[in-house]
Amino acid sequence: GDSVTQMEGPVTLSEEAFLTINCTYTATGYPSLFWYVQYPGEGLQLLLKATKADDKGSNKGFEATYRKETTSFHLEKGSVQVSDSAVYFCALSHNQAGTALIFGKGTTLSVSS
Amino acid sequence: GAVVSQHPSWVICKSGTSVKIECRSLDFQATTMFWYRQFPKQSLMLMATSNEGSKATYEQGVEKDKFLINHASLTLSTLTVTSAHPEDSSFYICSAKKTRSTDTQYFGPGTRLTVL
Repeated sequence: GDSVTQMEGPVTLSEEAFLTINCTYTATGYPSLFWYVQYPGEGLQLLLKATKADDKGSNKGFEATYRKETTSFHLEKGSVQVSDSAVYFCALSHNQAGTALIFGKGTTLSVSS
Repeated sequence: GAVVSQHPSWVICKSGTSVKIECRSLDFQATTMFWYRQFPKQSLMLMATSNEGSKATYEQGVEKDKFLINHASLTLSTLTVTSAHPEDSSFYICSAKKTRSTDTQYFGPGTRLTVL
C-alpha cells in the first residue's frame, strides 16, 4: 500500500541555519504531496503542497519539489527562525474525492537563538 | 478561510462512559470529513472517513461499534467513543475537505481524551 517515510528527528538547529527534512513516498499513480506543520498546542496546518511531478510548493520561506524519479518531496528552508519550531508531517493523497491523507511519522524541529 | 473546530478540546472521563467529540467546518461545506488518532510522538492514523448522509468507512482494525461516527450535515461530524477504556486515551483529530475539492484537507485543533 501507499506509504510516506520521513527522516527521524528531532532536528535541532541554530537560528538562520539551513533546514532539510527528507521525505520519500511509495504510491501507485500520481498522488498529491503535502507538508503539514503542527505548532505546539495547535492543530495541523497546511504548509505547502504540489500536485504533479516537478511542481514546487512554497510558503513562508519553505520549499519542496515533487520529484517523481526519486519519489521524494524534501522540505527546505534557507534560514530558519525560532518560530519555525514545530512538528512537520509529510503526506500524500490521491486526487479523488473522499481520499484521506497518508502521513509520515513527523519530524520535530527545534530552533534555538 | 477554511476553519475547522472541535469540541471539546479536552475531556477526562471515567472508564465505561461514552464521550462525544464534535467536528465542525465553520465557513465551508464539507461533504467528507476524516477522523484521525494521534499517539504521543507518533503520526496521525486514519480511523474512518465520514461522508454526509451515509455510513462512515472505517479503516482496518478500527471497531465501528466502539467509535461511532455520524455526519448529519455538511458542517458537522461527530465521533462517539463508547464504553471508553484507558487504552482509548489519545489525541483525536478531525479534518474536512471542501465540497467538490479533491485534495486539501483542513484540520481541527484536536481533542485530548483521557480515560481514567
